[in-house]
Amino acid sequence: QKEVEQDPGPLSVPEGAIVSLNCTYSNSAFQYFMWYRQYSRKGPELLMYTYSSGNKEDGRFTAQVDKSSKYISLFIRDSQPSDSATYLCAMSTGTTDSWGKLQFGAGTQVVVTP
Amino acid sequence: DAMVIQNPRYQVTQFGKPVTLSCSQTLNHNVMYWYQQKSSQAPKLLFHYYDKDFNNEADTPDNFQSRRPNTSFCFLDIRSPGLGDAAMYLCATSSRTGYEQYFGPGTRLTVT
Repeated sequence: QKEVEQDPGPLSVPEGAIVSLNCTYSNSAFQYFMWYRQYSRKGPELLMYTYSSGNKEDGRFTAQVDKSSKYISLFIRDSQPSDSATYLCAMSTGTTDSWGKLQFGAGTQVVVTP
Repeated sequence: DAMVIQNPRYQVTQFGKPVTLSCSQTLNHNVMYWYQQKSSQAPKLLFHYYDKDFNNEADTPDNFQSRRPNTSFCFLDIRSPGLGDAAMYLCATSSRTGYEQYFGPGTRLTVT
């Protein structure tokens, strides 16, 4: 079983819809949670960063962490064709022995159609 | 703009012919990472430098080496590329906290 599970998609939505992405994980020691966006043939771009449980909002993006369920989500409101990309979740325990080591999901491909 | 730069963006090499990929950063971050990403897969950490301290992942093949001559630059050397080494190679940087990592655009390596 992988430490981080993420549905690969593709997830296709019409422009203006809400995109809902999620990851589940097995390691209860994860405390730091990130979402990256990766356009085709480009490097990942950090979108959101959350520590522990709770919600965080940044413009059209909302990240949620539910540590009790080992489940994280990313919501994109008012989706645009420019949001079409692969979205990767990543997480870290933050402990000394795993410092700097991010456990990535495999990514969900999102397609926003005009 | 502060950024992570990788050169070249595309590299073609022959089976067994050594190749070097380069990364530079203007973020003045202490930590630099090298990842390998194959199609539709998560990035896989190969190694990282915390300042001058080199940290190799246990499952990184010996074929992969790295150098960091100064804060701004880091190199990935593949001594004898095999067909299985064809991938996107990503360089990333972070501050001392290590959680927020900033990636370069990647170098796509083809092995013929």
